Amino acid sequence: GAVVSQHPSWVICKSGTSVKIECRSLDFQATTMFWYRQFPKQSLMLMATSNEGSKATYEQGVEKDKFLINHASLTLSTLTVTSAHPEDSSFYICSATIGLAGNEQFFGPGTRLTVL
Amino acid sequence: DAKTTQPPSMDCAEGRAANLPCNHSTISGNEYVYWYRQIHSQGPQYIIHGLKNNETNEMASLIITEDRKSSTLILPHATLRDTAVYYCIVRLNTGGGNKLTFGTGTQLKVEL
Repeated sequence: GAVVSQHPSWVICKSGTSVKIECRSLDFQATTMFWYRQFPKQSLMLMATSNEGSKATYEQGVEKDKFLINHASLTLSTLTVTSAHPEDSSFYICSATIGLAGNEQFFGPGTRLTVL
Repeated sequence: DAKTTQPPSMDCAEGRAANLPCNHSTISGNEYVYWYRQIHSQGPQYIIHGLKNNETNEMASLIITEDRKSSTLILPHATLRDTAVYYCIVRLNTGGGNKLTFGTGTQLKVEL
């Protein structure tokens, strides 16, 4: 149980286009989802915390207008990278927690974004 | 969340125990110690967590010192598939919305 999926697993796009990444909790309801970014040979950096039905909370330095997050249901959160540029190329990972009582975060497999 | 310090890398022979240390000298009384690992190009995987007592599950054992300022993750019989970056994280256990702050972790390389 507690499986989190991401789609797509990898994407290549042209500079200036927008890319949407989906994060789904497959067998549980996730009140809270998190989005992380990881550059090569670096650690995961939290971008934002997403709660179902409310606006996401972004970490300092993360542009909310560039990284649009929507958490419309208890099983789906989306991250849209708008007007992507080569410096946005990274590994994007989501995680989800079970309901309000759970403390363990379950991570998705990640999405590799390459912007040409 | 309290800061943690881990060695950047460690090697271990397959079949031997891998002991990964973590220092968290500023941990507060209500913060837990969590361990995750990340195999290359995959999402992190939860391993184990604890507050004061030593913990064991099917993956590993967690030994926390009495003063809670350090801990050790033990993989009793390391295999090649245990090669990964291991992250030690301390955080409050106040519910599902509590975020994780990842440090640089320890790159464990298990070799034949």
